[in-house]
Amino acid sequence: GQNIDQPTEMTATEGAIVQINCTYQTSGFNGLFWYQQHAGEAPTFLSYNVLDGLEEKGRFSSFLSRSKGYSYLLLKELQMKDSASYLCAVPINSGNTPLVFGKGTRLSVIA
Amino acid sequence: DTAVSQTPKYLVTQMGNDKSIKCEQNLGHDTMYWYKQDSKKFLKIMFSYNNKELIINETVPNRFSPKSPDKAHLNLHINSLELGDSAVYFCASSQGTSGNTIYFGEGSWLTVV
Repeated sequence: GQNIDQPTEMTATEGAIVQINCTYQTSGFNGLFWYQQHAGEAPTFLSYNVLDGLEEKGRFSSFLSRSKGYSYLLLKELQMKDSASYLCAVPINSGNTPLVFGKGTRLSVIA
Repeated sequence: DTAVSQTPKYLVTQMGNDKSIKCEQNLGHDTMYWYKQDSKKFLKIMFSYNNKELIINETVPNRFSPKSPDKAHLNLHINSLELGDSAVYFCASSQGTSGNTIYFGEGSWLTVV
């Protein structure tokens, strides 16, 4: 089965950089996803990593280390609108979606 | 155009009632899902359908019966509603079943009183 662990809450200042960590254990690996969910809204796709290393996409980057079962989401130049929950997810097994989600990290961006 | 749409968005009903939530996707995807997000915001898979066939049922009570008339639709029917069924139910879809991005509908807020 899958086991995903991420911090429950984080607070950061507008304009700063924040790193949200995720550790996972899976019976088979087929990539790792990050989703963003604003309060009262649906989760939206941010990034997908299947190979080790850093994937950069604008202000957001995602890193993966398969050997360590570790990923992080890096948010730069934080804006108030980045206040949301960030969900780490992996496929339910090596061959299939659906995704199994972590409990999410609620990020609060303060002035 | 909404890619994954579900109705109703809000539903308040009494214990013991039967209710349905409808979902449609216009992305041409062949895999659809139902997720439940409880009050602690934990998002949990309930069902997965591929080309109208059930492929995953994550130990959901049989009061929950999904129905997929075609690969663009996956409806959720819930019998004998209980207080613990109160949650947000998200429909989602993806192309294929292997490592593909899942796209979510806007959610249906179900409150059982």
